[in-house]
Amino acid sequence: QSALTQPASVSGSPGQSITISCTGTSSDVGGYNYVSWYQKYPGKAPKLVIYDVSKRPSGVSDRFSGSKSGNTASLTISGLQAEDEADYYCTSFTRYNTYVFGTGTTITVL
Amino acid sequence: EVQLMESGGGLVQPGGSLRLSCAASGFTFSTHWLHWVRQAPGKGLVWVSQINTDGSTTAYADSVKGRFTISRDNAKNTLYLQMNSLRAEDTALYYCVLTSASGGWYAYDHWGQGTLVTVSS
Repeated sequence: QSALTQPASVSGSPGQSITISCTGTSSDVGGYNYVSWYQKYPGKAPKLVIYDVSKRPSGVSDRFSGSKSGNTASLTISGLQAEDEADYYCTSFTRYNTYVFGTGTTITVL
Repeated sequence: EVQLMESGGGLVQPGGSLRLSCAASGFTFSTHWLHWVRQAPGKGLVWVSQINTDGSTTAYADSVKGRFTISRDNAKNTLYLQMNSLRAEDTALYYCVLTSASGGWYAYDHWGQGTLVTVSS
């Protein structure tokens, strides 16, 4: 149950697009289309922004999009805004019928 | 509106025990899987445990297996986490989390606010 690998930090200017990667194995990310992404502000509970690799929950901005290729999933935030500055985590269902989170990525808006 | 309210956290000595509770409302409790996720201070989110609708199937992270027990009372709409043989590394904010149709059933679409567990002498 090793954590999925995410970059520690990603930064971008307002209006730019940024992409966060989430790398696992064929036992988790690569084996199932059950990758989800969460936005987390300090002191707040996480918020689901993408589920099933690329689906957006009701109410989530269409600036958030997800994709997957092989054992790596990605979250793209387009039209970066100051409010997007937060921590982001991926998670995946696994072959063991459990879940594993990513290491987390801090997004900084320059 | 879905509400998940954790309680039971606090300060406990290493080797001690604690039972967390999560009172749920706003959805049909008995038809949903539930999970515990934790976040240690300054660290990332970690999946801890899950339980199916009637409590007959459970799973645990390797780090807590044999020490933690997840359970539920569908009559009381309450989820529990019994934590024994606590270690300093169990210090974390523990979230009660729901998977439901709005998140495709495999994503955590509803979270509580968390309850803080501190293991220290």
